[in-house]
Amino acid sequence: GENVEQHPSTLSVQEGDSAVIKCTYSDSASNYFPWYKQELGKRPQLIIDIRSNVGEKKDQRIAVTLNKTAKHFSLHITETQPEDSAVYFCAANRDDKIIFGKGTRLHILP
Amino acid sequence: DSGVTQTPKHLITATGQRVTLRCSPRSGDLSVYWYQQSLDQGLQFLIQYYNGEERAKGNILERFSAQQFPDLHSELNLSSLELGDSALYFCASSAMGQAEKLFFGSGTQLSVL
Repeated sequence: GENVEQHPSTLSVQEGDSAVIKCTYSDSASNYFPWYKQELGKRPQLIIDIRSNVGEKKDQRIAVTLNKTAKHFSLHITETQPEDSAVYFCAANRDDKIIFGKGTRLHILP
Repeated sequence: DSGVTQTPKHLITATGQRVTLRCSPRSGDLSVYWYQQSLDQGLQFLIQYYNGEERAKGNILERFSAQQFPDLHSELNLSSLELGDSALYFCASSAMGQAEKLFFGSGTQLSVL
């Protein structure tokens, strides 16, 4: 069945440093990999997504990489800022489902 | 504001009861998804509807059911409630329902006492 594993569950980084969150998926038919950010008490919001025909995508301080052979994808946040503190979810599609990982709680330390 | 409306925002009820959660998708979106978010459990996919028809099913309990109406709003019905059903229930919508951005509502916080 569909399964998306996400690591680490908690991540603390110094402000200004980089953060990396990694995910693996089980279904080789998955071709869409979004990342969502959920701030405390708020709804999840899409921050970046990547499709299987692309290996990397960047949007300012955020980048996502995809390795289809290994079935893993990663989120990279550079020059972290206090407002990056949140829970981040990776996800993968299978047919019409979007399956989420369990989330990574990112703490940005002053 | 995502354009997705969920009501009520909070619901407190007792075990054994039945509740209905309501979701109105963004204008023009045909697909509605329901997710359950418990502490440390991420976003569990429950069910998806597209233009009134069930399209995909996840780990939805038999005590739970949903439907999407002709005006595209959706309702999630939870019956014979148990303490473990306490969670934040999110509705999300998308235009076509296939590998695209989801817009989430603000959720319904259900507390079963």
